Amino acid sequence: EIVLTQSPGTLSLSPGERATLSCRASQSVSSSYLIWYQQKRGQAPRLLIYGASSRASGIPDRFSGSGSGTDFTLTISRLEPEDFAVYYCQQYGSSPPYTFGQGTKLEIK
Amino acid sequence: EVQLEESGGGLVQPGGSLRLSCVASGFTLSSYSMNWVRQAPGKGLEWVSYISGSSSTKYYADSVKGRFTISRDNAKNSLFLQMNSLRAEDTAVYYCARDSNWGWCFDYWGQGTLVTVSS
Repeated sequence: EIVLTQSPGTLSLSPGERATLSCRASQSVSSSYLIWYQQKRGQAPRLLIYGASSRASGIPDRFSGSGSGTDFTLTISRLEPEDFAVYYCQQYGSSPPYTFGQGTKLEIK
Repeated sequence: EVQLEESGGGLVQPGGSLRLSCVASGFTLSSYSMNWVRQAPGKGLEWVSYISGSSSTKYYADSVKGRFTISRDNAKNSLFLQMNSLRAEDTAVYYCARDSNWGWCFDYWGQGTLVTVSS
């Protein structure tokens, strides 16, 4: 089973700042299979990034994903108030389990 | 508009059973694989189970294997999760999530239904 470790656990930033969230895999993950979701309090997760770097429909271009192998990054270039939420990475490989990272909470400083 | 609506959650005693449903609208359910994902209170996301569009392929997380059964009725636009031998650690919000047909990801999620296992 591939284990995904996200860091930091909590990130405190101000609106307008740049956020960099990390997702590290216990073994190599195809870039096609690395996904990022956003979850706001009391809501279902929302697809942000698929294939490590492709934005889902309707996602603003301030969100970007990068990485390969075992190290992946979600970057939010300039934080808007609505971006403060919990972010999860997921690996969706050719076989299950389709594991998630433990999440990074992005909070207002 | 794609919509997924879960139901069937509630309070159940340890060892009991519960059947969750997810009704899909706005798309042809048979064309999509589906998943159940759960989230314990204050915790992260845990993938639970997968079913292909034709029901020919099913997968389960080790934590639920042998206790949970995923199924679907495409004619009724519905996905199900039969949960038996429930444990306290199964307490969670259960989401149904659609597999995208254009990338390896879950592109739509329901709002979830809460299952509480407690005596």
